[in-house]
Amino acid sequence: EVLLVESGGGLVQPGGSLRLSCVVSGLSVTNTYMSWVRQAPGKGLEWVSLIYSGASPFYTDSVKGRFTISRDSSKNTLDLQMDSLRIEDTAVYYCAGGSPKVTTAFDADVWGQGTTVTVSS
Amino acid sequence: DIQMTQSPPSLSASVGDRVTISCRASQDISSYLNWYQQRPGKAPKLLVSAASDLQSGVPSRFSGSGSGTTFVLTIRSLQPEDFATYYCQQSFSTPPTFGQGTKVQIQ
Repeated sequence: EVLLVESGGGLVQPGGSLRLSCVVSGLSVTNTYMSWVRQAPGKGLEWVSLIYSGASPFYTDSVKGRFTISRDSSKNTLDLQMDSLRIEDTAVYYCAGGSPKVTTAFDADVWGQGTTVTVSS
Repeated sequence: DIQMTQSPPSLSASVGDRVTISCRASQDISSYLNWYQQRPGKAPKLLVSAASDLQSGVPSRFSGSGSGTTFVLTIRSLQPEDFATYYCQQSFSTPPTFGQGTKVQIQ
Protein backbone atom coordinates (compact mmCIF):
# COMPACT_ATOMS: atom_id res chain seq x y z
CA GLU A 1 0.00 0.00 0.00
CA VAL A 2 1.22 3.48 -0.89
CA LEU A 3 1.09 6.05 1.90
CA LEU A 4 2.04 9.74 1.89
CA VAL A 5 2.10 11.62 5.19
CA GLU A 6 2.78 15.36 5.30
CA SER A 7 4.00 17.41 8.22
CA GLY A 8 5.46 20.81 8.92
CA GLY A 9 2.51 23.09 8.42
CA GLY A 10 1.65 25.86 10.85
CA LEU A 11 1.21 29.56 11.43
CA VAL A 12 3.96 31.88 10.18
CA GLN A 13 4.26 35.62 9.72
CA PRO A 14 4.58 37.20 6.28
CA GLY A 15 8.20 37.03 5.15
CA GLY A 16 8.87 33.97 7.26
CA SER A 17 9.89 30.45 6.33
CA LEU A 18 8.46 26.98 6.74
CA ARG A 19 9.62 23.54 5.63
CA LEU A 20 7.08 20.90 4.70
CA SER A 21 7.96 17.25 4.64
CA CYS A 22 6.23 14.22 3.18
CA VAL A 23 7.14 10.69 4.26
CA VAL A 24 6.48 8.24 1.46
CA SER A 25 6.01 4.50 1.78
CA GLY A 26 5.27 2.05 -1.00
CA LEU A 27 6.95 4.20 -3.64
CA SER A 28 10.50 5.41 -4.18
CA VAL A 29 10.71 9.21 -4.26
CA THR A 30 13.66 8.97 -6.61
CA ASN A 31 11.78 6.88 -9.21
CA THR A 32 8.43 8.65 -8.97
CA TYR A 33 7.02 11.96 -10.11
CA MET A 34 6.56 13.79 -6.80
CA SER A 35 4.63 17.02 -6.38
CA TRP A 36 3.17 19.57 -4.05
CA VAL A 37 -0.34 20.80 -4.81
CA ARG A 38 -2.11 23.44 -2.73
CA GLN A 39 -5.63 24.60 -2.07
CA ALA A 40 -6.35 28.01 -0.60
CA PRO A 41 -9.34 28.20 1.77
CA GLY A 42 -12.55 27.74 -0.21
CA LYS A 43 -10.67 27.73 -3.50
CA GLY A 44 -9.60 25.27 -6.16
CA LEU A 45 -6.42 23.30 -6.68
CA GLU A 46 -3.07 24.72 -7.78
CA TRP A 47 -0.01 22.69 -8.78
CA VAL A 48 2.89 24.23 -6.89
CA SER A 49 5.95 22.16 -7.72
CA LEU A 50 7.12 18.85 -9.16
CA ILE A 51 10.40 16.95 -9.10
CA TYR A 52 11.61 13.89 -10.94
CA SER A 53 14.90 12.46 -12.14
CA GLY A 54 16.47 13.82 -15.28
CA ALA A 55 14.74 17.18 -15.39
CA SER A 56 14.70 20.53 -13.70
CA PRO A 57 12.02 20.92 -11.06
CA PHE A 58 8.80 22.65 -11.99
CA TYR A 59 7.51 25.62 -9.99
CA THR A 60 4.41 27.64 -10.57
CA ASP A 61 5.28 31.25 -11.36
CA SER A 62 4.06 32.70 -8.06
CA VAL A 63 6.54 30.64 -6.00
CA LYS A 64 9.62 30.73 -8.24
CA GLY A 65 12.65 31.96 -6.31
CA ARG A 66 10.87 31.47 -2.97
CA PHE A 67 10.09 27.74 -2.76
CA THR A 68 12.51 24.84 -3.22
CA ILE A 69 11.45 21.24 -3.71
CA SER A 70 13.81 18.42 -2.80
CA ARG A 71 13.84 14.74 -1.93
CA ASP A 72 15.89 12.54 0.36
CA SER A 73 16.39 9.05 -0.99
CA SER A 74 17.80 7.75 2.30
CA LYS A 75 14.63 8.71 4.18
CA ASN A 76 12.30 8.41 1.17
CA THR A 77 10.89 11.84 1.84
CA LEU A 78 9.81 14.83 -0.22
CA ASP A 79 10.34 18.33 1.13
CA LEU A 80 9.22 21.84 0.27
CA GLN A 81 11.26 24.72 1.66
CA MET A 82 9.10 27.82 1.63
CA ASP A 83 10.79 31.19 2.13
CA SER A 84 9.56 34.78 1.93
CA LEU A 85 6.05 33.55 2.61
CA ARG A 86 3.13 35.72 1.61
CA ILE A 87 -0.43 35.88 2.87
CA GLU A 88 -1.57 34.41 -0.46
CA ASP A 89 0.48 31.26 0.24
CA THR A 90 -2.06 30.32 2.90
CA ALA A 91 -3.44 26.94 1.89
CA VAL A 92 -3.61 23.24 2.52
CA TYR A 93 -0.54 21.71 0.92
CA TYR A 94 -0.84 18.20 -0.45
CA CYS A 95 2.01 15.88 -1.24
CA ALA A 96 1.14 13.94 -4.39
CA GLY A 97 2.80 11.35 -6.53
CA GLY A 98 2.50 9.51 -9.79
CA SER A 99 2.75 5.75 -9.49
CA PRO A 100 4.31 3.64 -12.29
CA LYS A 101 0.82 3.40 -13.77
CA VAL A 102 0.60 7.06 -14.75
CA THR A 103 1.20 8.38 -18.24
CA THR A 104 2.59 11.87 -17.62
CA ALA A 105 4.45 13.69 -14.84
CA PHE A 106 1.33 15.65 -13.99
CA ASP A 107 -0.96 12.69 -13.35
CA ALA A 108 -1.21 12.36 -9.56
CA ASP A 109 -2.78 9.11 -8.45
CA VAL A 110 -1.53 9.05 -4.86
CA TRP A 111 -2.10 11.84 -2.35
CA GLY A 112 -1.37 12.63 1.25
CA GLN A 113 -3.96 14.04 3.65
CA GLY A 114 -2.53 17.55 3.49
CA THR A 115 -0.92 19.97 5.91
CA THR A 116 -2.19 23.48 6.58
CA VAL A 117 -0.02 26.56 6.15
CA THR A 118 -1.33 29.86 7.45
CA VAL A 119 0.58 33.06 6.71
CA SER A 120 -0.68 35.86 8.88
CA SER A 121 0.56 38.65 11.09
CA ASP B 1 -1.14 29.00 -19.72
CA ILE B 2 -4.01 26.71 -20.75
CA GLN B 3 -7.28 27.73 -19.14
CA MET B 4 -9.68 25.00 -18.05
CA THR B 5 -13.34 25.95 -17.72
CA GLN B 6 -15.85 23.66 -16.03
CA SER B 7 -19.61 23.84 -16.19
CA PRO B 8 -21.74 24.03 -14.27
CA PRO B 9 -19.99 25.42 -11.16
CA SER B 10 -22.48 23.51 -9.07
CA LEU B 11 -25.47 21.27 -9.51
CA SER B 12 -28.12 19.64 -7.38
CA ALA B 13 -29.10 16.06 -8.07
CA SER B 14 -30.79 13.09 -6.46
CA VAL B 15 -29.53 9.60 -5.77
CA GLY B 16 -29.93 7.59 -8.97
CA ASP B 17 -29.68 10.57 -11.30
CA ARG B 18 -27.37 10.71 -14.29
CA VAL B 19 -24.96 13.61 -13.97
CA THR B 20 -22.67 15.17 -16.56
CA ILE B 21 -19.91 17.68 -15.91
CA SER B 22 -18.22 19.51 -18.76
CA CYS B 23 -14.66 20.77 -19.05
CA ARG B 24 -13.33 22.93 -21.83
CA ALA B 25 -9.69 23.68 -22.54
CA SER B 26 -8.55 26.98 -24.04
CA GLN B 27 -6.49 25.08 -26.61
CA ASP B 28 -6.13 21.55 -27.96
CA ILE B 29 -4.83 19.21 -25.24
CA SER B 30 -5.40 15.95 -27.10
CA SER B 31 -6.44 13.46 -24.40
CA TYR B 32 -4.23 14.81 -21.62
CA LEU B 33 -7.12 15.36 -19.26
CA ASN B 34 -7.64 14.05 -15.74
CA TRP B 35 -10.69 14.10 -13.47
CA TYR B 36 -10.43 14.24 -9.68
CA GLN B 37 -13.04 13.86 -6.96
CA GLN B 38 -12.65 15.74 -3.69
CA ARG B 39 -14.90 15.08 -0.74
CA PRO B 40 -15.10 17.79 1.98
CA GLY B 41 -11.98 17.90 4.12
CA LYS B 42 -10.29 15.19 2.09
CA ALA B 43 -7.52 15.01 -0.49
CA PRO B 44 -8.37 14.83 -4.18
CA LYS B 45 -8.71 11.38 -5.70
CA LEU B 46 -7.84 10.61 -9.31
CA LEU B 47 -10.88 9.09 -11.01
CA VAL B 48 -10.08 9.25 -14.71
CA SER B 49 -6.82 9.83 -16.56
CA ALA B 50 -6.11 10.33 -20.25
CA ALA B 51 -9.68 11.58 -20.70
CA SER B 52 -11.32 8.15 -20.47
CA ASP B 53 -9.13 5.70 -18.50
CA LEU B 54 -10.93 4.76 -15.32
CA GLN B 55 -8.55 4.31 -12.41
CA SER B 56 -8.37 0.98 -10.64
CA GLY B 57 -11.02 0.68 -7.95
CA VAL B 58 -13.22 3.49 -9.29
CA PRO B 59 -16.82 2.37 -9.76
CA SER B 60 -17.89 1.76 -13.34
CA ARG B 61 -20.73 4.29 -13.02
CA PHE B 62 -18.04 6.92 -13.63
CA SER B 63 -16.86 7.51 -17.19
CA GLY B 64 -14.91 10.15 -19.04
CA SER B 65 -14.99 11.14 -22.67
CA GLY B 66 -13.74 13.75 -25.10
CA SER B 67 -10.59 14.94 -26.78
CA GLY B 68 -9.12 18.15 -28.09
CA THR B 69 -10.82 20.93 -26.16
CA THR B 70 -14.08 19.43 -24.92
CA PHE B 71 -14.41 16.77 -22.21
CA VAL B 72 -17.19 15.26 -20.13
CA LEU B 73 -17.33 13.34 -16.86
CA THR B 74 -20.49 11.26 -16.49
CA ILE B 75 -21.84 9.63 -13.36
CA ARG B 76 -24.40 7.11 -14.54
CA SER B 77 -26.40 6.61 -11.34
CA LEU B 78 -25.46 9.01 -8.57
CA GLN B 79 -24.76 7.42 -5.20
CA PRO B 80 -24.65 9.11 -1.77
CA GLU B 81 -20.86 8.89 -1.66
CA ASP B 82 -20.58 10.76 -4.97
CA PHE B 83 -21.62 14.08 -3.51
CA ALA B 84 -18.35 15.96 -3.77
CA THR B 85 -16.48 18.51 -5.86
CA TYR B 86 -15.02 17.38 -9.17
CA TYR B 87 -12.04 18.96 -10.90
CA CYS B 88 -10.64 18.53 -14.38
CA GLN B 89 -6.92 19.07 -14.94
CA GLN B 90 -4.80 19.21 -18.07
CA SER B 91 -1.43 17.45 -18.14
CA PHE B 92 -0.62 18.47 -21.71
CA SER B 93 1.76 21.30 -20.92
CA THR B 94 3.30 23.23 -18.05
CA PRO B 95 1.97 24.68 -15.94
CA PRO B 96 -0.61 21.97 -15.34
CA THR B 97 -3.92 23.68 -14.69
CA PHE B 98 -7.19 22.75 -13.03
CA GLY B 99 -10.72 23.76 -13.71
CA GLN B 100 -12.47 25.74 -10.98
CA GLY B 101 -14.44 22.72 -9.84
CA THR B 102 -18.03 21.50 -9.99
CA LYS B 103 -19.78 20.90 -6.70
CA VAL B 104 -22.36 18.11 -6.81
CA GLN B 105 -24.92 18.62 -4.07
CA ILE B 106 -27.87 16.66 -2.80
CA GLN B 107 -31.20 17.89 -4.13
